[in-house]
Amino acid sequence: AQSVTQPDIHITVSEGASLELRCNYSYGATPYLFWYVQSPGQGLQLLLKYFSGDTLVQGIKGFEAEFKRSQSSFNLRKPSVHWSDAAEYFCAVGSTDSWGKLQFGAGTQVVVTP
Amino acid sequence: GAGVSQSPRYKVAKRGQDVALRCDPISGHVSLFWYQQALGQGPEFLTYFQNEAQLDKSGLPSDRFFAERPEGSVSTLKIQRTQQEDSAVYLCASSPRDRGYQPQHFGDGTRLSIL
Repeated sequence: AQSVTQPDIHITVSEGASLELRCNYSYGATPYLFWYVQSPGQGLQLLLKYFSGDTLVQGIKGFEAEFKRSQSSFNLRKPSVHWSDAAEYFCAVGSTDSWGKLQFGAGTQVVVTP
Repeated sequence: GAGVSQSPRYKVAKRGQDVALRCDPISGHVSLFWYQQALGQGPEFLTYFQNEAQLDKSGLPSDRFFAERPEGSVSTLKIQRTQQEDSAVYLCASSPRDRGYQPQHFGDGTRLSIL
């Protein structure tokens, strides 16, 4: 069965420290991978995407993610977090054999402390 | 703005009432998606439109849920005889193409509360 797993429900990080959010997927077809961020009461904002090519992708707000096919992972990283990065982060996967619908992980809530 | 617009932002209804949620996608976007996001969960796919054609409704939880996009632009998600488990945020997303992958642009959602 297809699945997207975000193992960490909640992460607390100090401002200025590095952040890594994990995402693992199980998909039969070639996956397309996305990270979205959601602030309270808001919709989802796309941080970055991976379709093909270079496995290290850069996104907005200083985020990057690395696609590792052998590990079925697409982890999100940021070298130095800002208080404004506090939000919920969702990994999402789509595949070539669908119309473009996305399957989302359950999300990781990030809290940033001073 | 030029983003995806959803209305109303909040909707409270009594159990058994019918509700209608509206989505205005980005102008010219071919693809339109509806997702349901329960509290503390990730969004779950409900249905997909390519222009006015509903090509995938596999995620609709029951026959009480109905979606339409009659002119290929604005879409309405209707829930009949609402139940408490229908309480969730309903997100609409659009993308410019009908094939290949393009990122989806999300609206801010409609928060539905069923009393």
